[in-house]
Amino acid sequence: GQNIDQPTEMTATEGAIVQINCTYQTSGFNGLFWYQQHAGEAPTFLSYNVLDGLEEKGRFSSFLSRSKGYSYLLLKELQMKDSASYLCAVKDSNYQLIWGAGTKLIIKP
Amino acid sequence: GAVVSQHPSWVICKSGTSVKIECRSLDFQATTMFWYRQFPKQSLMLMATSNEGSKATYEQGVEKDKFLINHASLTLSTLTVTSAHPEDSSFYICSGTPGLAGSNEQFFGPGTRLTVL
Repeated sequence: GQNIDQPTEMTATEGAIVQINCTYQTSGFNGLFWYQQHAGEAPTFLSYNVLDGLEEKGRFSSFLSRSKGYSYLLLKELQMKDSASYLCAVKDSNYQLIWGAGTKLIIKP
Repeated sequence: GAVVSQHPSWVICKSGTSVKIECRSLDFQATTMFWYRQFPKQSLMLMATSNEGSKATYEQGVEKDKFLINHASLTLSTLTVTSAHPEDSSFYICSGTPGLAGSNEQFFGPGTRLTVL
């Protein structure tokens, strides 16, 4: 079966750095996405990786290793507004998005 | 980025009634639209994929006669929850892609919170 694993919850301190990991096992691979979702709201797009390596976008970076079936989202200079759930999703060979359960990130002052 | 709207943003209805949720792509043509359901503290669950002008493809376990999807134009898809029951109470989210399913990004609507009494 297809599976996306990410930690259920993480806690970090304002101003610090946090890394959220995601491992996947899917039938085929056509890209990996990270979305941010605040409580009661729809997800918003953060990043897309289809080739190995690091993609940097401001305070957020996303890394992909296809051979390891592994990605991480790195958040720097954490702000209170970064408290949200972070969803990892992989597009399989049928271009269907397979979603992880999300990682709830709690930022403490 | 592209904008997707949903209407209504929240709805409360009595058990047995039907509820229609609209999803519109405001500044792009959504060849493909997706409908998701999300229960509290759970991840998104894909309900169905619809392509403009054709029948929706439903995920396993989703009753197509209960969740009617119409994708009549490139900017509008509707989800009708027929004979709603309390267990249908959930957060319903639509998303659209500008091109075919191979496009890189889905643009999400703000979601509709349905409460069935």
